Amino acid sequence: GQNIDQPTEMTATEGAIVQINCTYQTSGFNGLFWYQQHAGEAPTFLSYNVLDGLEEKGRFSSFLSRSKGYSYLLLKELQMKDSASYLCAVMDSNYQLIWGAGTKLIIKP
Amino acid sequence: SAVISQKPSRDICQRGTSLTIQCQVDSQVTMMFWYRQQPGQSLTLIATANQGSEATYESGFVIDKFPISRPNLTFSTLTVSNMSPEDSSIYLCSVPRGAGDINEQFFGPGTRLTVL
Repeated sequence: GQNIDQPTEMTATEGAIVQINCTYQTSGFNGLFWYQQHAGEAPTFLSYNVLDGLEEKGRFSSFLSRSKGYSYLLLKELQMKDSASYLCAVMDSNYQLIWGAGTKLIIKP
Repeated sequence: SAVISQKPSRDICQRGTSLTIQCQVDSQVTMMFWYRQQPGQSLTLIATANQGSEATYESGFVIDKFPISRPNLTFSTLTVSNMSPEDSSIYLCSVPRGAGDINEQFFGPGTRLTVL
């Protein structure tokens, strides 16, 4: 079956760095997405990786290793507004998104 | 990015009744997706709504329970029929938006449904 694993919850301090990991097993691979979802709101797109390596976008970076079925989202200079759930999703061979359960990130002052 | 609206934004319904959720997109799209997100869980795809043909349902979801309409390329409805408390969830519509090789999905604001 298809499976996406990510930690349920993480806590970090304002101004620090946090890395949220995601491992996946899917039938085919057409890219990995990270979405941010604030409580009570819809998910919003953060990043997309289809080739191995690191993609940097401001304070957020996303890394992919296809051979390991592994990705991480790196958040730098954490701000209180970064408190949210972070969803990892993989697009399979049918171009369908398979979603992880999300990682709830709690930022403390 | 696409602008997607949903109606209603939230509702509280009685067991056994039905609710129709509307999704409107500001541009024409071929596919629209309907998701459910139960409390504390990730998104689960209910069905893909295709204009001019029957919706494609995922395992565990059936047309009698979740009938979908797609009358044109900018609009779709999802009906949650004969509701039970287990149907309490956030229902989201989304559309893919290609940008080069990226097939990113944009989400509507969601409909928060509570069934008593």
